[in-house]
Amino acid sequence: EADIYQTPRYLVIGTGKKITLECSQTMGHDKMYWYQQDPGMELHLIHYSYGVNSTEKGDLSSESTVSRIRTEHFPLTLESARPSHTSQYLCASSENGRVGYEQYFGPGTRLTVT
Amino acid sequence: RKEVEQDPGPFNVPEGATVAFNCTYSNSASQSFFWYRQDCRKEPKLLMSVYSSGNEDGRFTAQLNRASQYISLLIRDSKLSDSATYLCVVTAYTGGFKTIFGAGTRLFVKA
Repeated sequence: EADIYQTPRYLVIGTGKKITLECSQTMGHDKMYWYQQDPGMELHLIHYSYGVNSTEKGDLSSESTVSRIRTEHFPLTLESARPSHTSQYLCASSENGRVGYEQYFGPGTRLTVT
Repeated sequence: RKEVEQDPGPFNVPEGATVAFNCTYSNSASQSFFWYRQDCRKEPKLLMSVYSSGNEDGRFTAQLNRASQYISLLIRDSKLSDSATYLCVVTAYTGGFKTIFGAGTRLFVKA
């Protein structure tokens, strides 16, 4: 089993609220990722990080922001939640190196904005 | 054109059937290949890596054809528990590593 954790698992929140989705891993992985996935749809990469103080935007434009102050922690923040942000958010991590390593996923946070 | 394309599915098969999923990728610099499984409303989990020589894990066999830029997954003797979405994943090094997930192929195995 992968040692990657996400909290909360489920969140229902009103429009305009600021939220932070937590992600942490104990595998010492340098690379971490955030994906957004609607039910029955494909994964979309919204942010990634190659290590501490490194953050990049992914392929899907997102109003969220991320930070990477510690190797094991990669939180995602929405300053003002909107109903369009309702989705599942999946965090993942992988080793770094010239050969691509598999990604390990957390259980996800299912966000509903009312 | 998407960088990783999979059979659209869904595949509906009876228990015991053999089913094959296909995946093509467009970047010839792709270096690592994987099949993931995702159950409904769960996170993706690594099913198996795909090696150039092909590899087998029990009822599952993965093949890679670099010349045709094609990956396949064969499931023999399908079980009800194999019902899931199967994701083809490709990683390429193009100045930095990029991992692309396919849209997935949904499999329903029926009794």
